[in-house]
Amino acid sequence: DAKTTQPPSMDCAEGRAANLPCNHSTISGNEYVYWYRQIHSQGPQYIIHGLKNNETNEMASLIITEDRKSSTLILPHATLRDTAVYYCIVRVASGNTGKLIFGQGTTLQVKP
Amino acid sequence: GAGVSQSPSNKVTEKGKDVELRCDPISGHTALYWYRQSLGQGLEFLIYFQGNSAPDKSGLPSDRFSAERTGGSVSTLTIQRTQQEDSAVYLCASSLAGGDRNIQYFGAGTRLSVL
Repeated sequence: DAKTTQPPSMDCAEGRAANLPCNHSTISGNEYVYWYRQIHSQGPQYIIHGLKNNETNEMASLIITEDRKSSTLILPHATLRDTAVYYCIVRVASGNTGKLIFGQGTTLQVKP
Repeated sequence: GAGVSQSPSNKVTEKGKDVELRCDPISGHTALYWYRQSLGQGLEFLIYFQGNSAPDKSGLPSDRFSAERTGGSVSTLTIQRTQQEDSAVYLCASSLAGGDRNIQYFGAGTRLSVL
């Protein structure tokens, strides 16, 4: 499985954009990048995913570099409720079960 | 619509007892996954169901752990002769189908404490 590297922790001021980086230098051409987050005492929550192009939804934006070796999750206006552990996951392509392999993630602390 | 439902939300048991954890997936989702999150550890995959079959059981830590799924819906994870190291949050997720293109939706988990 392609591995990801994320900083263990980050701080962000409330109302500002939170930019969470992820390195996945061994990603294969048909492997998707997924982002999940886990708020304390809850199950993981899907945020966004992408293959090559940048993606945006109501929660966040995902910027993937042209060489696909890294990506950035952007929360445009962070709120206190965005405090969570954020997981960047590269999902192995076809012929597999789709199971998610979680790393240690980035703990984002949004501060007032 | 209803999300993934897990019960009980908390379970306290004595070492050596058997426990059953239940997962109700989102209606229509054919794929179901069990994960475990131990204190200070990351989330680890346990087992994957496609329909009632479990083509990937590679994450089950020992033969004390088993799971079944009936009617392509509800799944039960059973831990026999529980040990203290089994204490963890057990999470269930479901998706429309297996594979890497389908979003997994998680339940809130069952927190198991083995005394």
